Amino acid sequence: NFMLTQPHSVSESPGKTVTISCTRSSGSIASKFVQWYQQRPGSSPTTVIYENNQRPSGVPDRFSGSIDSSSNSASLTISGLKTEDEADYYCQSYDSSNQVFGGGTKLTVL
Amino acid sequence: QVQLQESGPGLVKPSETLSLTCTVSGGSVSSGSYFWSWIRQSPGKGLEWIGYIYYTGNTNYNPSLKSRVTISVDRSKNQFSLRLNSMTAADTALYYCTKSRWGTYYAFDFWGQGTLVTVSS
Repeated sequence: NFMLTQPHSVSESPGKTVTISCTRSSGSIASKFVQWYQQRPGSSPTTVIYENNQRPSGVPDRFSGSIDSSSNSASLTISGLKTEDEADYYCQSYDSSNQVFGGGTKLTVL
Repeated sequence: QVQLQESGPGLVKPSETLSLTCTVSGGSVSSGSYFWSWIRQSPGKGLEWIGYIYYTGNTNYNPSLKSRVTISVDRSKNQFSLRLNSMTAADTALYYCTKSRWGTYYAFDFWGQGTLVTVSS
């Protein structure tokens, strides 16, 4: 089995860019797709990135995803931060027997 | 637009079995293009995948819960269900049902609103 490790929290000012990392503990990050979910308080998660770097329709292009095999990690980058981006963000990936979520990162836009 | 609605008891006693149902509207559990999952979130904590089912009845479960979990599908009612036995306080959580993205089993693109289950005597 493997784990996905995210920073507990990040903060940045409106209009700036923030990157949230997600490190896979074992197995290659490139071997299975990574998804990213946004969860606002009191709401169900919604997808902001799927298959490493694909945006669902309706998600602004301020959101982008990437993977880095050298650090075995995935990243979610949000540019032009808005106060509405303040939320918890979870990465998720899988292997042959399990789907695994990261512990979540609380993004504060202040 | 697909909608998912969880239903079931909000309170379960320790050692008992939890039964939840997810009713799907705007889509069909009989579609061969999607997988249907249960995911839970403990209060103030992160997300944990419980398992998924395909319309054929094929299932896959989280190894840490596999011995206690059963997911089933009722195509006539357009529903799928979760049973989790030997409940403990550690199973107290918000339980979500989800639909996968078309053609995948690993991306969850529609979520129900969640149903809170508390384990207490």
